[in-house]
Amino acid sequence: NAGVMQNPRHLVRRRGQEARLRCSPMKGHSHVYWYRQLPEEGLKFMVYLQKENIIDESGMPKERFSAEFPKEGPSILRIQQVVRGDSAAYFCASSPRGGVGYEQYFGPGTRLTVT
Amino acid sequence: GENVEQHPSTLSVQEGDSAVIKCTYSDSASNYFPWYKQELGKGPQLIIDIRSNVGEKKDQRIAVTLNKTAKHFSLHITETQPEDSAVYFCAASSDDYKLSFGAGTTVTVRA
Repeated sequence: NAGVMQNPRHLVRRRGQEARLRCSPMKGHSHVYWYRQLPEEGLKFMVYLQKENIIDESGMPKERFSAEFPKEGPSILRIQQVVRGDSAAYFCASSPRGGVGYEQYFGPGTRLTVT
Repeated sequence: GENVEQHPSTLSVQEGDSAVIKCTYSDSASNYFPWYKQELGKGPQLIIDIRSNVGEKKDQRIAVTLNKTAKHFSLHITETQPEDSAVYFCAASSDDYKLSFGAGTTVTVRA
């Protein structure tokens, strides 16, 4: 059973470009979470999605960032007009359901570098 | 929001010795406390978790304790082995999906 998959693993973008990060949850998982990890820091919650629904986006910056989890295909985290401060590792996690007792399984992350 | 503090930031132990990592949290409503191990280039992996209705939980060489009154919880690794070298994160959650992570502890086990 394949784990959570993220691609690309490494992404380099120039300031002002767009970054698209993809996350394919584990088979049978319909809940996806995105976290951002800055150097020397812990992971920070960004957004929680179910299929076709954003449940909690309280950790997402108000501008330039968006996330979706369509009925078919991977979840996408999109960063428009990237700036150097967006350089970080972005992790997604998935779970079969949300709430009590359901472990979040993390993917290997996408390391975004903005030059 | 929840604020989780983790100490120490780095920990070096001799193989066979014990390692202890401590975390404090701010939100008294937090009721779920997982610990993750992150190896270089990989995502965090859950190693043990504890809920607020339990004071201690053990799984082989790993144990976690929780003091709700003091709002702190700790990870204990006994008989450390070189493969225990990694970054360890504590986390807390009051709603079971929004995890608030500590800054991490880099554990090095010396052979």
